[in-house]
Amino acid sequence: GAVVSQHPSWVICKSGTSVKIECRSLDFQATTMFWYRQFPKQSLMLMATSNEGSKATYEQGVEKDKFLINHASLTLSTLTVTSAHPEDSSFYICSARVSRGMNEQFFGPGTRLTVL
Amino acid sequence: GQNIDQPTEMTATEGAIVQINCTYQTSGFNGLFWYQQHAGEAPTFLSYNVLDGLEEKGRFSSFLSRSKGYSYLLLKELQMKDSASYLCAVMDSNYQLIWGAGTKLIIKP
Repeated sequence: GAVVSQHPSWVICKSGTSVKIECRSLDFQATTMFWYRQFPKQSLMLMATSNEGSKATYEQGVEKDKFLINHASLTLSTLTVTSAHPEDSSFYICSARVSRGMNEQFFGPGTRLTVL
Repeated sequence: GQNIDQPTEMTATEGAIVQINCTYQTSGFNGLFWYQQHAGEAPTFLSYNVLDGLEEKGRFSSFLSRSKGYSYLLLKELQMKDSASYLCAVMDSNYQLIWGAGTKLIIKP
């Protein structure tokens, strides 16, 4: 089956630092990757859609200069949380889709970010 | 606007059957997904419906009525490990997933 990995699984950092989260599709090529954020007891919130080789499309209210997304290859997308603050503490989940016409998204295991 | 509605929380007894409903209003429709999410973990895929009717997969079944904008997830022979949140998501005309807030299912012995 399609496997998506995320690294790191969890990270604790100081306020003001930047954190990079990697999302990899291990056994398939993902033309599109999605980044979600989930606060406790809430549903997934789509942050941005990332297509390989092009700029990410950010959802309304998500600061693109704060959440930098790079989709450099068909198997790797990265999310960098710049100048992290405690309110950025959340569960960040990526998912990958093979192509636009393929409906299923495959989810990574998530990254728990805690900003002190 | 786009909207997915599902109950916030449900409680059921081990060994019983539970039905989790989901109603939706979206811009276009390219299928409805059900995902299971345990606390602190990412969602895992349960089912996908794009045509009307019932899809059965072991203890889990999912039903769709496109004309009514309605789906349900049916869980049979409930086990304690089924305690989780169940997320309903609809893929719209842009192939984006629109997520419900999730239904927290509590299983009691």
